Amino acid sequence: AQSVTQLGSHVSVSEGALVLLRCNYSSSVPPYLFWYVQYPNQGLQLLLKYTSAATLVKGINGFEAEFKKSETSFHLTKPSAHMSDAAEYFCAVRFSGSARQLTFGSGTQLTVLP
Amino acid sequence: DAGVTQSPTHLIKTRGQHVTLRCSPISGHKSVSWYQQVLGQGPQFIFQYYEKEERGRGNFPDRFSARQFPNYSSELNVNALLLGDSALYLCASSLEGRGSLPLSLAEAFFGQGTRLTVV
Repeated sequence: AQSVTQLGSHVSVSEGALVLLRCNYSSSVPPYLFWYVQYPNQGLQLLLKYTSAATLVKGINGFEAEFKKSETSFHLTKPSAHMSDAAEYFCAVRFSGSARQLTFGSGTQLTVLP
Repeated sequence: DAGVTQSPTHLIKTRGQHVTLRCSPISGHKSVSWYQQVLGQGPQFIFQYYEKEERGRGNFPDRFSARQFPNYSSELNVNALLLGDSALYLCASSLEGRGSLPLSLAEAFFGQGTRLTVV
């Protein structure tokens, strides 16, 4: 079955530290991949998307993600965390054959410690 | 430009009642999708509509229905509400159609959501 897994429902980092949020998918065909951020009581905002043009994708607010086909992963990183990065992050996938829907992971709550 | 707008923002209903949620897409967007986000989980796909036709349906019971109007706005209807229907309901719009990006690449723009509480 096609699925999206986010390892770690809660991640805490210190301000200025590296942020690494993990996302793995299960599919025999490379899908289209997205990372969204959700602030409290708000909708989802797109951070970045993988469209097969380049494996390293740069997004907004200093975030980037690398698509690794051999590992079926699309981990999100940011070199230096800011307090304003505290939010919930969702990995989402459009799988081949069901491209009309986004399949979301369960989310990772990022806490940034002063 | 206005983003995706949803109404109402909050709603409290009693078990067994019916509810209608509304969504206005970004101007020029012809595709609207609905998602249910239960507290502590990722959004789950409910429906996708394009040009007033249902183009995709998730694994939800027939109590859930939707429609899209000629101006591309959309309504999500839920009948016979259950406590488990309590969730944030998100609407997303995107570009789709001849001359646009393939849907698989099209960014989905989300509204702020409607928080439904069933008591």
